[in-house]
Amino acid sequence: DAKTTQPPSMDCAEGRAANLPCNHSTISGNEYVYWYRQIHSQGPQYIIHGLKNNETNEMASLIITEDRKSSTLILPHATLRDTAVYYCIVREYMNYGGSQGNLIFGKGTKLSVKP
Amino acid sequence: DVKVTQSSRYLVKRTGEKVFLECVQDMDHENMFWYRQDPGLGLRLIYFSYDVKMKEKGDIPEGYSVSREKKERFSLILESASTNQTSMYLCASTGVDEQFFGPGTRLTVL
Repeated sequence: DAKTTQPPSMDCAEGRAANLPCNHSTISGNEYVYWYRQIHSQGPQYIIHGLKNNETNEMASLIITEDRKSSTLILPHATLRDTAVYYCIVREYMNYGGSQGNLIFGKGTKLSVKP
Repeated sequence: DVKVTQSSRYLVKRTGEKVFLECVQDMDHENMFWYRQDPGLGLRLIYFSYDVKMKEKGDIPEGYSVSREKKERFSLILESASTNQTSMYLCASTGVDEQFFGPGTRLTVL
């Protein structure tokens, strides 16, 4: 079972920041928070991951609360192409070998960016 | 650009046919995965492989088998396709920080 809770859907105006929340109250100390997204009819795409510090890359920012029980993915200037289902996933750090590469996807948040 | 490719985007087969879904990655990854995705159920792991000729069952392996003869290629086999195997099939391989997915194969079994 997925260890995360996300709202089923959200809307965002084009050009505005999209803030997608995720609750992961049972996260353990060695588990990371990963975010992926899936645009319609495509395979999922990695966005970002973090442990406890805030992270930023060219796609998004990840804000993790101090108690690590929740996080927020921020798309700073959403475009129509950001319309997708966004998945928040909690798991141990990916490394080689065994089943540790498996991702457990929940139902995600369907983000609709509107003009 | 790194890539995971799948042999077909769309496939239509008849019940009882043997179906091969091919996946190739060009990143020299050791771990490769096959998922299926169905509305309301999310992604479910069918099989994975962590090395050539090595395979492990995922959560829903029944009705499927896999083959990994070369590092870059991971094949999913439906021995006798059934209508309940109509689904989107996604292949993935794992790098250091992320899992790379292919574009998916939408399989319809009539």
